[in-house]
Amino acid sequence: EPEVTQTPSHQVTQMGQEVILRCVPISNHLYFYWYRQILGQKVEFLVSFYNNEISEKSEIFDDQFSVERPDGSNFTLKIRSTKLEDSAMYFCASSASGSGYEQYFGPGTRLTVT
Amino acid sequence: EDKVVQSPLSLVVHEGDTVTLNCSYEVTNFRSLLWYKQEKKAPTFLFMLTSSGIEKKSGRLSSILDKKELFSILNITATQTGDSAIYLCAVEGGTSYGKLTFGQGTILTVHP
Repeated sequence: EPEVTQTPSHQVTQMGQEVILRCVPISNHLYFYWYRQILGQKVEFLVSFYNNEISEKSEIFDDQFSVERPDGSNFTLKIRSTKLEDSAMYFCASSASGSGYEQYFGPGTRLTVT
Repeated sequence: EDKVVQSPLSLVVHEGDTVTLNCSYEVTNFRSLLWYKQEKKAPTFLFMLTSSGIEKKSGRLSSILDKKELFSILNITATQTGDSAIYLCAVEGGTSYGKLTFGQGTILTVHP
């Protein structure tokens, strides 16, 4: 069964460093998303991406964040200068369409900023 | 602001019990409500509901949506220890397509 994959599963970085989280969405899906979940809190929407551009972003997704689809399979989230409060589980999701279709989530990358 | 509230926050039952999990929402331009099961990491998709009154079923799990009263329930019959997880409700709506707003989840623990 097709699934969303994410690498790495766990990333430890120092404050101020740049990190890139990688995702491979399900191959025939067209819409891609990043969500995050701070420990003990709700899953929060960060950004949606379609047709090589951002469709929507939340207020969390400030200038420190960027997304890219560098090739036909990968979808990346970059955090330019990490802060302690960026420590969270980051989930990538994909769906066949932007509305009315279920989103499938990857296993997540746990980001720890020290 | 879109809002999704789940209750109860946690539930402890014994194998064989039936449980009902609740999700209420306030969202403009509602399009769909989704239920996910979160065990160790990734939320795994259970159901998507778009129409009122139509029950979706998968084995021992079922779910229904009431768009007039703005809530959904997830039922699990004959619970098993493998049903222990966090159950998440999420709603798609607002001005953007695909953005999900999640509730805080219900932690279900099933004891043998």
